Amino acid sequence: EVQLVQSGAEVKKPGESLRISCKGSGYRFISYWISWVRQMPGKGLEWMGRIDPSDSYTNYSPSFQGHVTISADESISTAYLQWSSLKASDTAMYYCARYEPGRGFDYWGQGTLVTVSS
Amino acid sequence: DIQMTQSPSTLSASVGDRVTITCRASQGISTWLAWYQQKPGKAPKLLIYKASSLESGVPSRFSGSGSGTEFTLTITSLQPDDFATYYCQQYNSYPFTFGPGTKVDIK
Repeated sequence: EVQLVQSGAEVKKPGESLRISCKGSGYRFISYWISWVRQMPGKGLEWMGRIDPSDSYTNYSPSFQGHVTISADESISTAYLQWSSLKASDTAMYYCARYEPGRGFDYWGQGTLVTVSS
Repeated sequence: DIQMTQSPSTLSASVGDRVTITCRASQGISTWLAWYQQKPGKAPKLLIYKASSLESGVPSRFSGSGSGTEFTLTITSLQPDDFATYYCQQYNSYPFTFGPGTKVDIK
């Protein structure tokens, strides 16, 4: 069974750093890209960027470029989303999703809620 | 960036109704379009990919059509489990973009 399991909820202060994770199982991790999607409270879905775990090649949305870093460790089938300096406006639910080019995002993680508050 | 719009933003319907949601892209995206269903507190679920291909396990009452800049998602006979928010997404070019969503609620 294909699963993407994300790390647990986080509460952070502005200016702090954070890395959240997304572990894939039940499939060959390097054969599919992983995307990250933000959903702010009560709002819609925003694509942040993606990584190809086979070579760590990334693409970012201009809205997120420079503010987040997407990485992956194929040896443990895990993708990451990290911030070096959080802002209150980063408060949101973050989802990882598996992407096969041409097929859309077919499996999603359960989401990681990030709360940034002083 | 390619902008995606959806109409309507909210749709009130009854069980058994035929429901149609429209998605428009600001430029042509061929058929590189997906539809997702999201329920409160849950991750989105892929319904349709490549504009009209039904994802495995998705009921056949869901269908998609369109190409270029205009697309539709149709639910032929709305079921109680279908009350949710629906998003379209283009994956023709980066950055991939989602529509703002259409909430389908109970009339």
